[in-house]
Amino acid sequence: IAGITQAPTSQILAAGRRMTLRCTQDMRHNAMYWYRQDLGLGLRLIHYSNTAGTTGKGEVPDGYSVSRANTDDFPLTLASAVPSQTSVYFCASSGGQGGPDTQYFGPGTRLTVL
Amino acid sequence: GQNIDQPTEMTATEGAIVQINCTYQTSGFNGLFWYQQHAGEAPTFLSYNVLDGLEEKGRFSSFLSRSKGYSYLLLKELQMKDSASYLCAVTDNDYKLSFGAGTTVTVRA
Repeated sequence: IAGITQAPTSQILAAGRRMTLRCTQDMRHNAMYWYRQDLGLGLRLIHYSNTAGTTGKGEVPDGYSVSRANTDDFPLTLASAVPSQTSVYFCASSGGQGGPDTQYFGPGTRLTVL
Repeated sequence: GQNIDQPTEMTATEGAIVQINCTYQTSGFNGLFWYQQHAGEAPTFLSYNVLDGLEEKGRFSSFLSRSKGYSYLLLKELQMKDSASYLCAVTDNDYKLSFGAGTTVTVRA
């Protein structure tokens, strides 16, 4: 069982380019999340999805979009990357059965926007 | 919104005990999580508290006081491998997590 996988592991991107970070889970979890982690700020929620077909905005959604076409995949897209989006991005999932389920995190994507 | 505070750094000696405090102010509360994160890796689940009191799991224990908006994570018999960041996170009414900035614990021989 792989759990949650993310791709790519790391990426250097020119400002203005479009980029999609991929996230796949094989635990049949209903809920999925995208966070960014910056030094001194901790993990901040970008977008989330409580179930396939639905998405919601987190604390820092501007400049990012997500989709949830099926249970397993939750891609995060940067339409036009800016240097302030340089960060480590973590995808997470939880059972999402209507309670405070434990979230399980993927290995992360380190993104640098120049 | 959530306001979660924890110390930035702590240092302790191998075999000792360290207590990491976390205070929070929330607009809704459905429990508090502690995660461990080694450098360059993903956070991993350590504990969950929703009722007041102490939860013990081997060398790690977590305490919660809802009336005081306070939790701590207690690490006993410290080992070198416990050097990591420890993240306090609070769930809101929609069960989404808000994280503190994390406490980096360094264990010295």
